[in-house]
Amino acid sequence: DAMVIQNPRYQVTQFGKPVTLSCSQTLNHNVMYWYQQKSSQAPKLLFHYYDKDFNNEADTPDNFQSRRPNTSFCFLDIRSPGLGDAAMYLCATSKAGGFSYEQYFGPGTRLTVT
Amino acid sequence: AQTVTQSQPEMSVQEAETVTLSCTYDTSESDYYLFWYKQPPSRQMILVIRQEAYKQQNATENRFSVNFQKAAKSFSLKISDSQLGDAAMYFCAYRSARNAGNMLTFGGGTRLMVKP
Repeated sequence: DAMVIQNPRYQVTQFGKPVTLSCSQTLNHNVMYWYQQKSSQAPKLLFHYYDKDFNNEADTPDNFQSRRPNTSFCFLDIRSPGLGDAAMYLCATSKAGGFSYEQYFGPGTRLTVT
Repeated sequence: AQTVTQSQPEMSVQEAETVTLSCTYDTSESDYYLFWYKQPPSRQMILVIRQEAYKQQNATENRFSVNFQKAAKSFSLKISDSQLGDAAMYFCAYRSARNAGNMLTFGGGTRLMVKP
């Protein structure tokens, strides 16, 4: 089945130690998104790629970076995680344009910062 | 900018009963799309139902239906014959028709509990 895959599902990192989360998709969608979701809150968009074009949300901290080496993969890099960065990180994809092109979400990576 | 408001942080329903989750939004646009997403505990978010703003007919997907009131900017979700598996966070979301990147504006979510 076509899907959005996130690895790892659980990640523990130390305060200030860089960490990378990965997302891959078999849907061949041209848009990929990274969201941060804290407990019982709505997902907060960090950035998205429209094809190769990177779009950063205005309030996304510089501590968060992203890479998309090809259509299928997208990475979220947190350069110096703080305690406040502990959250669920969701990857999503969609096909640009059209009504039926909803966002498809991965299962998320839960990040713990110690 | 568009905003989406879900006024019910938590809702509870008895199994087999019907529950309605509320959502209001604010926009100056006339063409847009609305969605309800479901996020079960520790599971991924999935689309429940969607509505095109230009359609007057309310969308229906099996036990899930919406009451779309465009003039009132209201988009409620009705779940009939509630099942234990319906327990989840439900997010209402808005997407502008002009948004080529399919960007969503989410409401704050409603946690639905289903009592056996």
